[in-house]
Amino acid sequence: EVQLVESGGGLVQPGGSLRLSCAVSGVTFSNYAMSWVRQAPGKGLEWVAGISDSAGSTYHADSVKGRFTISRDNSKNMLYLQMNSLRAEDTAIYYCAKKTTVVVTAPMDIWGQGTVVTVSS
Amino acid sequence: EIVLTQSPGTLSLSPGERATLSCRASQSVSSGYLAWYQQKPGQAPRLLIYGESNRATGIPDRFSGSGSGTDFTLTISSLEPEDFAVYYCQQYGSSLTFGGGTKVEIK
Repeated sequence: EVQLVESGGGLVQPGGSLRLSCAVSGVTFSNYAMSWVRQAPGKGLEWVAGISDSAGSTYHADSVKGRFTISRDNSKNMLYLQMNSLRAEDTAIYYCAKKTTVVVTAPMDIWGQGTVVTVSS
Repeated sequence: EIVLTQSPGTLSLSPGERATLSCRASQSVSSGYLAWYQQKPGQAPRLLIYGESNRATGIPDRFSGSGSGTDFTLTISSLEPEDFAVYYCQQYGSSLTFGGGTKVEIK
């Protein structure tokens, strides 16, 4: 069974930093692109960032570009999201999601349970 | 950026009825790169349909997708109790964007 387990969320002050992690099991991690998607309280889904299977290509939404960085470690089956200069509007549930193929923009067929990030003073 | 507009915002139906959900794109979605997701309260989204009309693994055949260009539809042929949820469309032909969602609620 494929499992994605996020961690690293929490309460942080505006301007602060957090690093989210996603542990992937049950699949050959290096064969798939990955993404982070977030959902603000009571709102819809927003794609945040994507990374290719080999980490050779990364993409970030305009709303987080320059502040967030997606990365992966295929030797550890881990996906990461480094979040700097956090703002109140970054408050959301952050989901780690596996793509259906190596293509960064492919649909997402497996999702983690999410980790909550709250940015507040 | 391609903007996706879903309608209606809320659909009130009874079990056994047919549900028709619309997703309209601000510009043509290349190669039909359109997906649909279902999300229940407190749960992560689940992929239903990709490539306009391909059902994801384990998705029952009462779910079907259709459309092309800028107009897409998700149809649930006969609503089961577990189908009441929020549905999102997503395009992945040019970067990646989601629609605002349609809530299917019990009438």
